[in-house]
Amino acid sequence: KQEVTQIPAALSVPEGENLVLNCSFTDSAIYNLQWFRQDPGKGLTSLLLIQSSQREQTSGRLNASLDKSSGRSTLYIAASQPGDSATYLCAGPSYNNAGNMLTFGGGTRLMVKP
Amino acid sequence: SAVISQKPSRDICQRGTSLTIQCQVDSQVTMMFWYRQQPGQSLTLIATANQGSEATYESGFVIDKFPISRPNLTFSTLTVSNMSPEDSSIYLCSVAPRGSEKLFFGSGTQLSVL
Repeated sequence: KQEVTQIPAALSVPEGENLVLNCSFTDSAIYNLQWFRQDPGKGLTSLLLIQSSQREQTSGRLNASLDKSSGRSTLYIAASQPGDSATYLCAGPSYNNAGNMLTFGGGTRLMVKP
Repeated sequence: SAVISQKPSRDICQRGTSLTIQCQVDSQVTMMFWYRQQPGQSLTLIATANQGSEATYESGFVIDKFPISRPNLTFSTLTVSNMSPEDSSIYLCSVAPRGSEKLFFGSGTQLSVL
């Protein structure tokens, strides 16, 4: 069964810093990995999805990488802003009786201070 | 992409009562997923709802406690039955639209049980 771990659990940085969020997974047969953002008390917003055939995916100031051999993905946020403050979750596919599902990491709670 | 309308957005309920959460999607989808997010925790899959068949529940979740309906390809409900304070969580529905590997989420239902 897929297990997903995120480090650090919480991170506080001053505005303008570049930062890296880490995600590790146990099943290297992963065919994609997805990064989400969650604001307090809200649902999830999909940020990036990386296919197993890709090494990187970029959207604006966000860059996600995937290394299947090491079981790791990183989310790089450039020039962080207070509006980036949220919880960031990574999720990888695993299989259940219904077919497939996503297994989520515990999330990294990011605070960007003005 | 998919636009998901989930309601209610929040509710405060008394112990022993039941709450039904609705999820409406703007396109037809094969599977709809119901997740629970307990305070400070990541997401855990409750069940997968397919149209025309019984939902498939994950380990630790049972139909008597979390009955699910899926009357058509755009709508589903999750009921939290005989609630106790331990059921206080955010409940989220999600879908993977046809042709997309991304998972999209509703805005969530924040449930507090007194």
